[in-house]
Amino acid sequence: GAGVSQSPSNKVTEKGKDVELRCDPISGHTALYWYRQRLGQGLEFLIYFQGNSAPDKSGLPSDRFSAERTGESVSTLTIQRTQQEDSAVYLCASSLGGVYNSPLHFGNGTRLTVT
Amino acid sequence: GNSVTQMEGPVTLSEEAFLTINCTYTATGYPSLFWYVQYPGEGLQLLLKATKADDKGSNKGFEATYRKETTSFHLEKGSVQVSDSAVYFCALSLIQGAQKLVFGQGTRLTINP
Repeated sequence: GAGVSQSPSNKVTEKGKDVELRCDPISGHTALYWYRQRLGQGLEFLIYFQGNSAPDKSGLPSDRFSAERTGESVSTLTIQRTQQEDSAVYLCASSLGGVYNSPLHFGNGTRLTVT
Repeated sequence: GNSVTQMEGPVTLSEEAFLTINCTYTATGYPSLFWYVQYPGEGLQLLLKATKADDKGSNKGFEATYRKETTSFHLEKGSVQVSDSAVYFCALSLIQGAQKLVFGQGTRLTINP
């Protein structure tokens, strides 16, 4: 069946522009996560959704970052006024429930380059 | 805080060699431990997990044992194959509260025929 789908796969943007990254989770997965991976570093947690509410936004690095989710479906991560330090691969994952009950299924990511 | 430290890569081995990728953690609670793998061109996927001390996770010939006394979860495989070439991530999740994984930086493994 279909896995987690992310779009675009690559995005190059100029510093100061806004970008929107999209994630389509696996159908029926109630939990959705956004992570960021900078070059040579581990994955950083950004935000977690259960349904369309976000009980944990603790990883969002600044108020330029926001995310929303429609029902138990699509999520968008928005970065306003992009900076060069925002360049990274942004990964989305979904799961049936709590992470220790069911594994996370990751998308292939969106590679964001801010010039 | 909570963190995961992995063996630095890249690691290059010959086919049929023995593999160890070290992983140690610090955690404020009692974590569950995971290994995720990312094959070329694919998304991360769960390789194995262990939820309590002395548990051994295993899958596809890989094993890792949850060692609370040494706060470690080293990944091992007795005889690697070219198809094992990938990036391996160690991760933890706290049993209570956090619905998120804390990842190590990843170790790139290349197996030569």
